[in-house]
Amino acid sequence: KAGVTQTPRYLIKTRGQQVTLSCSPISGHRSVSWYQQTPGQGLQFLFEYFSETQRNKGNFPGRFSGRQFSNSRSEMNVSTLELGDSALYLCASTEQANTEAFFGQGTRLTVV
Amino acid sequence: QKEVEQNSGPLSVPEGAIASLNCTYSDRGSQSFFWYRQYSGKSPELIMFIYSNGDKEDGRFTAQLNKASQYVSLLIRDSQPSDSATYLCAVRDTGGFKTIFGAGTRLFVKA
Repeated sequence: KAGVTQTPRYLIKTRGQQVTLSCSPISGHRSVSWYQQTPGQGLQFLFEYFSETQRNKGNFPGRFSGRQFSNSRSEMNVSTLELGDSALYLCASTEQANTEAFFGQGTRLTVV
Repeated sequence: QKEVEQNSGPLSVPEGAIASLNCTYSDRGSQSFFWYRQYSGKSPELIMFIYSNGDKEDGRFTAQLNKASQYVSLLIRDSQPSDSATYLCAVRDTGGFKTIFGAGTRLFVKA
């Protein structure tokens, strides 16, 4: 079974731009969660999608948004990028409630 | 109070020793608990999960759960230099899908 796939692996963007990151979960997994990881803040929960619906949301500004498609693939979008958005963005997929979550390789976003 | 708390370390142990990593959580309704290992620059890798009170062993790793005390721990026996990494404690919320992570404990195993 293929693992969680995130694209692109690396991105460099300029302040004020927007960016879209993609995540393809493990086949059969319908829940996808997104996390932001920075050295100072650790892994911060962004949001979780299940069957195209956002069910959980973390404490991030509205510039951070996401969606999930019918094939369970998910995208997250960050608009009006700020320098502080530079981070490793990770997605994880889960098959069902209270089972293991598996991470993708992450997208390293650098905002200059 | 943070939802999932871990000692940030670093924890330094000699090769062959037992490393003990601890974690407390605040959501009494949580039913599933996970330990991830993360090497620098890499994504977290699942190493253990536990759902029931008591101990669960997998090779050199033992996870321990005490729901009454809201406490989870991970023991690594016969620690190896390759175990040097950050260990993340993760707790699934009452709903079963939202995972909250602790800040992680950095472990150094000295050869």
